This record gives sequence, structure tokens and C-alpha cells, in this order.
Amino acid sequence: KQEVTQIPAALSVPEGENLVLNCSFTDSAIYNLQWFRQDPGKGLTSLLLIQSSQREQTSGRLNASLDKSSGRSTLYIAASQPGDSATYLCAVATGNQFYFGTGTSLTVIP
Amino acid sequence: GAVVSQHPSWVICKSGTSVKIECRSLDFQATTMFWYRQFPKQSLMLMATSNEGSKATYEQGVEKDKFLINHASLTLSTLTVTSAHPEDSSFYICSAAKYEQYFGPGTRLTVT
Repeated sequence: KQEVTQIPAALSVPEGENLVLNCSFTDSAIYNLQWFRQDPGKGLTSLLLIQSSQREQTSGRLNASLDKSSGRSTLYIAASQPGDSATYLCAVATGNQFYFGTGTSLTVIP
Repeated sequence: GAVVSQHPSWVICKSGTSVKIECRSLDFQATTMFWYRQFPKQSLMLMATSNEGSKATYEQGVEKDKFLINHASLTLSTLTVTSAHPEDSSFYICSAAKYEQYFGPGTRLTVT
């Protein structure tokens, strides 16, 4: 069974810093990998979707990479802002099934 | 972009009653919808996969008689929590699949 791990579980950085969130998965036979943001008590907002054939995706200050062979993905956030404070989840898709990581809780300090 | 809605967004019910949560894909047809639950400070756990016109597939440990799923059309799936108990209090999120998954805003259920 696919297992998805996110490190660190929590991260606190001062505003303006660049940061990296990590996601690892045990089964490299994935269909795609998706990064989500979740604000407290809210649903999920999709940030970036990387297909299994892709190496990275970029959207604004966000850049996600995928190394399928090593079972790793990173989410890079440039010039962090207080509004980036949230929980970030990665999820891998195997066929029609999603497996979620445990999330990284990010706090950006003004 | 694809939009998925859930109703209600927040519900409180008494122990022993049943609660129905709706999940709708507003601008696309979804042959498959998924139901997740999330306990505080934990990640989402898939409860069941719902295919239009057929029975839902439940994950191990999820009681199908307690969590009734009906995928009546290509734009609507419902989750009914029957005989709710306080331990059923959780955040329930649905998603609809069309090439990728689109998530609803979630429903917070509190059972008193």
C-alpha cells in the first residue's frame, strides 16, 4: 500500500524567506502528484498538479518538483508571505485512488 | 475551472439522528466522486469511492451501513451518516474526478 510522508510536520519562518516542503512516497508507480493548501477549518485548494511524466510545475511563487524514481517531491515557496500560512498537503494518485500525506503546517511570521 | 460544492458547510445534530451531506459538481460531469474524512490535525482519509449508477466501494474499516453513499447522477453524490455518534464528529470532504480531482469545501459535522 502506498504511504506518503511529509517533512517537516511544522515549519515557522520569517516573512520573505524561501522555503522547501518535502513529500516522499513508497510506491513510484503513480499517476500524478498534487500539492494542496488547507486553511484551518476549510477545504482543500489545489496548488500544483504534476503528471508522472513531468519533472516540475510552476505557478507564481510556487515550484513543485517530482522525482518519481526516488519517490520524492518538493514544494518550493519563494519570498514567503504571512498569507502563505496554512497546512500544505501532498497527494499521490495511483489509478483512481489518492493517498494523502500528513501535511506540513507552515507559519510565516510578519 | 471545475467547481465542487458541498451542503451543508456546517451541521450539528443529536446523537442517534441521521445527517445527509450533498456533494455537487457544478460545471462538469463526474463519473467518480470520493468521500474523505479528516480528524483534527490529521490528514484526509479516503472513506469510499462512489461511481455513478453503481454501489460505492468502501475502504477497509469504514462501515457501509453507517455511511450510506448514493451517487444518483453525474453531478450529485450524497453521504448519509446514520445513527450518528459523537465519534462521528469530523470534517467530511468530497471530491469529483475529471482528469484530476476537484475538492469541495468540506462539511463540519458535530454530533452532540
